[in-house]
Amino acid sequence: DSGVTQTPKHLITATGQRVTLRCSPRSGDLSVYWYQQSLDQGLQFLIQYYNGEERAKGNILERFSAQQFPDLHSELNLSSLELGDSALYFCASSARGGGLAGDTQYFGPGTRLTVL
Amino acid sequence: AQKVTQAQTEISVVEKEDVTLDCVYETRDTTYYLFWYKQPPSGELVFLIRRNSFDEQNEISGRYSWNFQKSTSSFNFTITASQVVDSAVYFCALSGGNQGGKLIFGQGTELSVKP
Repeated sequence: DSGVTQTPKHLITATGQRVTLRCSPRSGDLSVYWYQQSLDQGLQFLIQYYNGEERAKGNILERFSAQQFPDLHSELNLSSLELGDSALYFCASSARGGGLAGDTQYFGPGTRLTVL
Repeated sequence: AQKVTQAQTEISVVEKEDVTLDCVYETRDTTYYLFWYKQPPSGELVFLIRRNSFDEQNEISGRYSWNFQKSTSSFNFTITASQVVDSAVYFCALSGGNQGGKLIFGQGTELSVKP
């Protein structure tokens, strides 16, 4: 158990809908990262937050947004869902990561999103 | 641009065989970090090792060992005396520069260890 929690574990929804994925980092970790794992794209970095502020952005679609709250938990919002958004979404956390590369990231169990 | 290549898509071995998973990386950063993660069939990503670019010493942890060679931009992972429980997808990842802490992952190598 990495100490990172994600809810829900599974999510099934329809095209055009909006969903929210939630992540609680390990106790004391300030950085949260979101990744998408799909068969065609592999593991792709989406976005990073450090202590409530966006720190780095990757291949995140405009239909997706995220935020990190004062208690350091994070939410990833996916809207106008398409079939191709079906994937495993991981959250990871690290102790620092405030612009520093190399922090070890510990991953949550993931949320499997299925868009029908 | 940063890139990680795991050329072996799938490897199948029989229990007790040794197996090496290859990882080749590309980066222009002088300071960077390399990682290996394991993804068992249950789906979670489990951290195995972190190595920085200034430390080329090989590392051994039980049946696991890692060989880091900057000259060939490789960070290979060897499992000695493989076991069925080692069956998983293994990912090599790279982090570096001023791009925050994001990890660039390879495509993964699926290891199947048969009894």
